[in-house]
Amino acid sequence: KAGVTQTPRYLIKTRGQQVTLSCSPISGHRSVSWYQQTPGQGLQFLFEYFSETQRNKGNFPGRFSGRQFSNSRSEMNVSTLELGDSALYLCASIGLENTEAFFGQGTRLTVV
Amino acid sequence: DAKTTQPNSMESNEEEPVHLPCNHSTISGTDYIHWYRQLPSQGPEYVIHGLTSNVNNRMASLAIAEDRKSSTLILHRATLRDAAVYYCIRGRSYGKLTFGQGTILTVHP
Repeated sequence: KAGVTQTPRYLIKTRGQQVTLSCSPISGHRSVSWYQQTPGQGLQFLFEYFSETQRNKGNFPGRFSGRQFSNSRSEMNVSTLELGDSALYLCASIGLENTEAFFGQGTRLTVV
Repeated sequence: DAKTTQPNSMESNEEEPVHLPCNHSTISGTDYIHWYRQLPSQGPEYVIHGLTSNVNNRMASLAIAEDRKSSTLILHRATLRDAAVYYCIRGRSYGKLTFGQGTILTVHP
């Protein structure tokens, strides 16, 4: 079956703009989590959605938001982009068996 | 929250076993121990997880100390493809994983 799909793979934005990233989980998976990876901070948890509801939230400012649709696809949005938001954004989906997280290849966001 | 301690880096030769240690001295009784690895330019990949007993799968083995304060990921025969950052994570939720800095594993031909 197809893995976790994240689009786009690469993105360049200007400071102050906003951006929306998309994640399609593995078919049948209802939980989607988002992570930010930077060289300085490593992998940090952003938020988790399950059945269209945010179940967990990490320690990020309100500029970072997300949502999940009825088909389990998820989007995350970052408003008023800052240079420090440049990072690899990773999405993971977890199946009902709840034994492991499957990660996508990520979206590389560069803010200039 | 969910802190583990791992060596920054380790090296191995191809086809030799690798033992990657992890300390999780503040683990609670219901926390699982998860291992993920991240190859260059890819998202993390699940390796193995366990609660109390030692675990084996096609990728690796996980040896958990009796007091559960430490564990060791064992790659039985390292290959060049095993060169990656290995993350040891403790926690109850698979949807909220707290990653540390991990161990950079270098495998020499």
